[in-house]
Amino acid sequence: VLTQSPATLSLSPGETATLSCRASQSVDIYLAWYQQKPGQAPRLLIYDASNRATGIPARFSGSGSGTDFTLTISSLEPEDFAVYYCQQRKNWPPLTFGGGTKVEIK
Amino acid sequence: QVQLVESGGGVVQPGRSLRLSCAASGFIFTNHVIHWVRQAPGKGLEWVAVIWYDGSKEYYTDSVKGRFTISKDNSKNTLYLQMDSLRAEDTGIYYCARTPSYFEWFFDYWGQGTLVTVSS
Repeated sequence: VLTQSPATLSLSPGETATLSCRASQSVDIYLAWYQQKPGQAPRLLIYDASNRATGIPARFSGSGSGTDFTLTISSLEPEDFAVYYCQQRKNWPPLTFGGGTKVEIK
Repeated sequence: QVQLVESGGGVVQPGRSLRLSCAASGFIFTNHVIHWVRQAPGKGLEWVAVIWYDGSKEYYTDSVKGRFTISKDNSKNTLYLQMDSLRAEDTGIYYCARTPSYFEWFFDYWGQGTLVTVSS
């Protein structure tokens, strides 16, 4: 089970967002992060805990291993307000996603 | 460019069937594994099923085992999801999503999704 916190994060543009994903058992580094905007499919941001996907800005960074992971978005841009999901690929089936964190404009 | 295009969604009564398709292009279909992921209205993402690149193995989430069948036609670069005995809780957007390789099971490309509504 992947537990994301907080459920909602209210921030202003320019601030830093820190999102947490906690696994009920170790997933080593096999954790990915996705961004989803309303009406759109998810987009891969980070894979294997800390690797940015192609074309993802450097303000997105991931860290962690084992059971505790963090997605940091430095200096939020207007287009960063969205829902973020983590996903593990260590213990499957099933592949599992966290419940999501909504980053909203304060 | 990589494209995944889902089709086949619609409104269906409980207990009936529906078949979804995912047409892939822009990459070598057999070099990747493609999964089905769904999202109930206003909810999070839920992994549904996967079939091995050569069709030799299938895996399903518990709630669809025995009701859904995943298949693929490598000659048509198309993935399918046969959904039988549909329930209201199967309602949602169904995405097909590609992994970058056989064993790196995170999703680097997603389709736009197809909406399935199970309602009487």
